[in-house]
Formats: sequence, structure tokens, C-alpha cells
Amino acid sequence: SYVLTQPPSVSVAPGKTATITCGGENIGRKNVHWYQQKPGQAPVVAISYDSGRPSGIPERFSGSNSGNTATLTISRVEAGDEADYYCQVWDTGSFVSFGGGTKLTVL
Amino acid sequence: EVQLLESGGGLVQPGGSLRLSCAASGFTFSNYVMSWVRQAPGKGLEWVSTIADSAGFTFYAESVRGRFTLSRDNSKNTLSLQMNSLRAEDTAVYYCARTPYSGSYHFDSWGQGTLVIVSS
Repeated sequence: SYVLTQPPSVSVAPGKTATITCGGENIGRKNVHWYQQKPGQAPVVAISYDSGRPSGIPERFSGSNSGNTATLTISRVEAGDEADYYCQVWDTGSFVSFGGGTKLTVL
Repeated sequence: EVQLLESGGGLVQPGGSLRLSCAASGFTFSNYVMSWVRQAPGKGLEWVSTIADSAGFTFYAESVRGRFTLSRDNSKNTLSLQMNSLRAEDTAVYYCARTPYSGSYHFDSWGQGTLVIVSS
């Protein structure tokens, strides 16, 4: 199976920039999708196809993907951004893989 | 507005069976690949199964292959997951998710989930 590695937690002060990484072998060759999940809620797509931002997602959210690391960046972090974030790829071998998730804490 | 409404969750004994359903509305159901994703209590997301728009193919995670069967009824806009030989580790919230393809599969709309508890 294709393994995706995320840091368990990231902490950031309000107004600062949060960076959440997703590591995988040659992940830069795949399309990476990011989901935001707030407590008690279903996940929502935050970023699709590496850097696409669905309607309703603030411009503060951006994504990049190269080499062995994909990155979700949240600028000017707000208290409402506090959530769990998951990366996901589709791979012909394992079909769908999720990262273990990163808990974003806004200090 | 896309809506996905799951039902059928509940408490079941180990070795038992349960059938989950997902009622879809707000989009042309027959045009989309659909999936189930689950989340054990306090844990991360785990992909379970995916079915083609025409039901021409299905894929299963190794953890459920041979025990779970995914099907769909495009005339009723309904997705179903038959779960047999349930184990404690199948305890989770099960989400129905629309799974569009444009070079890659991802989950662009999710239901609110239905809780399955496998326990004696």
C-alpha cells in the first residue's frame, strides 16, 4: 500500500502561517487532495489536485506538491481553522490512501 | 445542493451483519463514482470501498475484502454496503462520499455518517 506520513500535530498563533506536510514516495507524481474535519463534523475538501481551492474555501488556504512532499499552507490563521487535516492520494496499486491526519491547534 | 444521507448503522454482535444505505440527491447520481470511507473513534480516515457509476467495477480495502459488498441502484439514487462477518475493528462512523474522477479520485461531497458499533 502507498504510505502517506503527516505530523500528528501542528500549533500556530493566530495571524501566523501554518504548514502541514504530507510525505510519500514520489508523491509529486500524484494528485494530492486535502480535507478539513472539525470536531463532530464530516470532512470537507480544502484543497484538490495539489492546489485547487473549492468554492467556499478561503484564499488563505493553498497547496503545493513536489518530490516526496505535499504541503498545505494556511495563511493568517484564524481560530476557526482549528481542525484535523488529512491528505489523500489515488494510486493504482492501493487505490485510495489517507495520511494519518494532523491536528491543527490555534494557540 | 448535493445531499448524501446515510442510514442503517447500529449495534451488532461480532460475526453479525449489517446493511448501510446512502440516499443521494441534488445531482445526477448515475454519473458519479461513489464510495464509503470510515473513521474509527478517535482515529483517522480509512477508505473502505468504491463503485463505478455504472457499477461496472468495485474496489475494496484489504481490511474488508471478502466480507463487505458494495452495490448501487441508479434508479433509486441509492448506495448500499452489505457488511458481513463483522469484527470489533469495524466499529466506526461510516461516511458515504461522492467520488468524481478527473485524473484522480477524491471525495468532493460527504454525508454526515452513520455509526456502526460491533460489540457483544
